[in-house]
Amino acid sequence: GQNIDQPTEMTATEGAIVQINCTYQTSGFNGLFWYQQHAGEAPTFLSYNVLDGLEEKGRFSSFLSRSKGYSYLLLKELQMKDSASYLCAVVDSNYQLIWGAGTKLIIKP
Amino acid sequence: GAVVSQHPSWVICKSGTSVKIECRSLDFQATTMFWYRQFPKQSLMLMATSNEGSKATYEQGVEKDKFLINHASLTLSTLTVTSAHPEDSSFYICSANWGGDTGELFFGEGSRLTVL
Repeated sequence: GQNIDQPTEMTATEGAIVQINCTYQTSGFNGLFWYQQHAGEAPTFLSYNVLDGLEEKGRFSSFLSRSKGYSYLLLKELQMKDSASYLCAVVDSNYQLIWGAGTKLIIKP
Repeated sequence: GAVVSQHPSWVICKSGTSVKIECRSLDFQATTMFWYRQFPKQSLMLMATSNEGSKATYEQGVEKDKFLINHASLTLSTLTVTSAHPEDSSFYICSANWGGDTGELFFGEGSRLTVL
């Protein structure tokens, strides 16, 4: 079966750096998305990786290793507004999106 | 970026009634839209894929007669929850694939349904 694993919850301090990991086993791979979802709101797009390596976008960076079935989202200079759930989603060989359960990130002052 | 609008944002209805939720792509044409349901503290669950001009493709375990999906135009898909019951209370979210280089999904704002 297809599976995406993320930690359920993480806690970090304002101003610090946090890395949210995502491992996947899917039938084929056509890209990996990271989305941010605040409570009660729809997800918003953060990043898309289809090639190995690190993509940096401001305070957020996303890394992909296709051979390891592994990605991480790196958040720097954490702000209180970064408290949210972070969803990892993989596009499989049928171009279907497989969603992880999400990681709830709690930022403490 | 592309915008997807969903309406209504909140709806409260009595058990046994039907509720219609609209999903519109405002500045692009969406041949495919997706409908998700999310229960509190749980992950997004894909309910169905809505294809313009044809029948929707439902995920396993989703009742097609209860969750009616219509995709009559390239900018509008509707989800009707028929004969709603309290267990149908959930957050319903639509999304559309912009089809650009990243194949990025754009989400509507979501509709919170409460069935009394």
